[in-house]
Amino acid sequence: DAGVIQSPRHEVTEMGQEVTLRCKPISGHDYLFWYRQTMMRGLELLIYFNNNVPIDDSGMPEDRFSAKMPNASFSTLKIQPSEPRDSAVYFCASRRTGLNTGELFFGEGSRLTVL
Amino acid sequence: AQSVTQLDSQVPVFEEAPVELRCNYSSSVSVYLFWYVQYPNQGLQLLLKYLSGSTLVESINGFEAEFNKSQTSFHLRKPSVHISDTAEYFCAVSDGTGGFKTIFGAGTRLFVKA
Repeated sequence: DAGVIQSPRHEVTEMGQEVTLRCKPISGHDYLFWYRQTMMRGLELLIYFNNNVPIDDSGMPEDRFSAKMPNASFSTLKIQPSEPRDSAVYFCASRRTGLNTGELFFGEGSRLTVL
Repeated sequence: AQSVTQLDSQVPVFEEAPVELRCNYSSSVSVYLFWYVQYPNQGLQLLLKYLSGSTLVESINGFEAEFNKSQTSFHLRKPSVHISDTAEYFCAVSDGTGGFKTIFGAGTRLFVKA
C-alpha cells in the first residue's frame, strides 16, 4: 500500500514567486494535515481537513498561505507571494477515522527554499 | 490548550549505553501521547503510543516510555542504543479531537557514537 506522497521533494524559488506543494494521502484516509518544520519553531500544524473540508486553519501564518482539497486523493498548499521566511520543510500527513490508534502517517516532506 | 516540552535539544550517547529522552506535556483534558522518530530526509514515523491501559508502552525495537500523569511526563528510554538509533525524536500529544489533531514538541536529536 502506497504511503502519503508529496511533491515536489525539493523546491528552490525566488522571493515573490508562487509556490504550490502537493499531497496525495493514503487511500481511504479521511483526515489530512499540513505541517511546517523549521529549526526555530519545530513542527507547526498549519491546517487540517476532514472529508475534504477544511476544519481548522488557525495555524496558517498569513493570507499568503492557502490550502485546498478538491477531492479525497489530492491536496495543495499554496504560498503566494513567497518570502525567504517561508523556507522550511512542509509535511503532509493523513489518518483514517475508526483507526483509533491516533497514528498519523507522514509523507517525506517538501523542502522549500525561498531566495 | 495543549503543549509539549522536550527538555533536551540534543543527546549524544555512546553505542550500547542507556538513554532517556525527556518529555513533559500540559493539557486540561485527558491526553493521548506519542513518540515519533524522524530519520534524515524522511517523514516522521510512529515509534510508540499511549492511549489507555498500561502506563508502560514499548516499541518493537527496544524503546519504551512510561506515562506519568502526576508528573505530566512521557519520557522515552532505551537500555542499550545502536548506531542506527541516531535520529530525531518527537514527543507529541493529542486530546483525541479533530481527528487526533496532534501537537508536537521541538524534537530531540539523538546522536549515537561508536
